[in-house]
This record gives sequence, structure tokens and C-alpha cells, in this order.
Amino acid sequence: EAGVTQSPTHLIKTRGQQATLRCSPISGHTSVYWYQQALGLGLQFLLWYDEGEERNRGNFPPRFSGRQFPNYSSELNVNALELEDSALYLCASSLAPGDTQYFGPGTRLTVL
Amino acid sequence: AQSVTQLDSQVPVFEEAPVELRCNYSSSVSVYLFWYVQYPNQGLQLLLKYLSGSTLVKGINGFEAEFNKSQTSFHLRKPSVHISDTAEYFCAVSEWTNAGKSTFGDGTTLTVKP
Repeated sequence: EAGVTQSPTHLIKTRGQQATLRCSPISGHTSVYWYQQALGLGLQFLLWYDEGEERNRGNFPPRFSGRQFPNYSSELNVNALELEDSALYLCASSLAPGDTQYFGPGTRLTVL
Repeated sequence: AQSVTQLDSQVPVFEEAPVELRCNYSSSVSVYLFWYVQYPNQGLQLLLKYLSGSTLVKGINGFEAEFNKSQTSFHLRKPSVHISDTAEYFCAVSEWTNAGKSTFGDGTTLTVKP
């Protein structure tokens, strides 16, 4: 069974640009979560989608947004990139809210 | 609001020694608790979780954790570590009433020396 996949593996952008990160959950999983793992800051919860709806978001500005598609895959968009947005962005999926989260390998975003 | 504190940022131990990684949490409601491990250059994977029932939880690779409600702790232990246990360990909590939002600790780097 395929795990959570994320694309791209690496993404390099400049300040002010927009970044789009993609995530495909494990088959059958309806909940998708996004986290930011910045150097020295641990994992910060970004967004949670379930059944196509945004259910919760962490303490991030509105320029961090996303969506979940009918096939439960998800997209994270970061607008007006800032240098401090450089981080590893992890996606996870679970069968149901609160269930074990299975993580993807992450997308390394570098903002120059 | 929930929060998680991992009390040690780095834990160096020698191979075959016992180890305990400490995690305290705070929440006004009942919680689920998790420990995840992140090996170098890899994603996170679940070690163990506490949802309800027995407070002693056994996970993969010989790890176990004990949920202590009165002390709001969920410490991770292993009686004898291996070089291959070198990794970063994250404690996480999610509230029953908002199970989709997990809060992670800052991580503990376990370094096992020969």
C-alpha cells in the first residue's frame, strides 16, 4: 500500500512569490494535515482538512491556505513568500480525525 | 488550549543503557497522546499512542510510555537502546473534542553512542 506522497521534494522561490505544495493521502484516508517544521522550531500545526472541508487551522497568517479535492488529495498554497517561510512542510493523513497520522517525506521550501 | 513540553532537547546515552524521554502536556479536556520518531533524512513515523484504557502503552522497537494523568506526563522509555535508535523523538497531543488538531513538542534528539 502506498504511503503519503508529497510533491515536489524541493522547491526554491524568491520573496514575494507564491508556492504550491501537493499531498496525496493513503488510500481510504479522508483527513489530511499540514505542518511546518522550521529549523529549531519543531512541528507547527498549519491546517486540517476532512471530507473536503477545512476543519481547523493553526496560528498562521491568511497567506497560508489550502484545499482538499474530492479524491482527498490536498494542496497547500503560500502567498507573498517571506524568508522565514523556509522550512520543511509535512503532510499527514489519517483514517479519521484523531486517528494515527501517517506522514509523508515532506517538501523542503527555500525562500531566497 | 493544549500544549506539549519536551523537557530535554538532547539526550546522549551509551548503547545498551536505558533511556527516558520526558513529555509533559497541558489541556483542559481529555486527550490522546502520541510519540513519533524521525530518523535522519526520513519522515515521521508513529512509535506508540495512548487513546484510553491501560496507562502503559507498548510501541514498536521496544519502546513504551506511561500515561500519568495526575502529573500530566507521557514519558517514553526503552530499557536498552541501540545505535539505530539515534533519531529525533516528538511527543504530541490532541484533544478528544478537537481530535484533528495535534500539538507537537519541540522534539528530543536521542544520540546513542557506542
